[in-house]
Amino acid sequence: NAGVMQNPRHLVRRRGQEARLRCSPMKGHSHVYWYRQLPEEGLKFMVYLQKENIIDESGMPKERFSAEFPKEGPSILRIQQVVRGDSAAYFCASSPIEGDRSTDTQYFGPGTRLTVL
Amino acid sequence: AQKITQTQPGMFVQEKEAVTLDCTYDTSDPSYGLFWYKQPSSGEMIFLIYQGSYDQQNATEGRYSLNFQKARKSANLVISASQLGDSAMYFCAMREPIIQGAQKLVFGQGTRLTINP
Repeated sequence: NAGVMQNPRHLVRRRGQEARLRCSPMKGHSHVYWYRQLPEEGLKFMVYLQKENIIDESGMPKERFSAEFPKEGPSILRIQQVVRGDSAAYFCASSPIEGDRSTDTQYFGPGTRLTVL
Repeated sequence: AQKITQTQPGMFVQEKEAVTLDCTYDTSDPSYGLFWYKQPSSGEMIFLIYQGSYDQQNATEGRYSLNFQKARKSANLVISASQLGDSAMYFCAMREPIIQGAQKLVFGQGTRLTINP
């Protein structure tokens, strides 16, 4: 059973360009979470999605950031007109349909490291 | 809002010694869950152990155990017989409910553990 997949692992963009980060959850998982980790900090929640629905985007910046999880295909985190402050590691996590009743554990992907020049 | 505090930015321990990583939390919810994740230099987030607020016993997973003191609101991670491969960042996290039964994770700032040979 493959784990959470994220690509690309590393992404370099120049200021003003768009960044697209992809996440494929574990097989059987339909809940996807995106987190951002700035250098030397803990992860911070951005958005929670189920298939075709954004459930909670309270941690997402209001401008330039968007997320989707289509019926088919991976979840996408899109950052438009990137700025240097967007440089960070972006992690995706997934959890089962009926959360594991003992842990409700989220399983993380390897992350995408975005560098904005 | 829930909050996680890790007061040790860095720790240095001799190989084979036991080590305790501190974590305190703040919540008004009677039901909550606490997690520990390991982040090695390669960057991925590895789930280590989970403790539910109603669990009667402290959680254990191999060399990892959780010293859960509910009255003090602390959930310290204990690693027994440390190994060089334990060198990594360690994050304590608490789940915070979102609508529709899901939960997001709130992370502490992390502790960088270095195991010396």
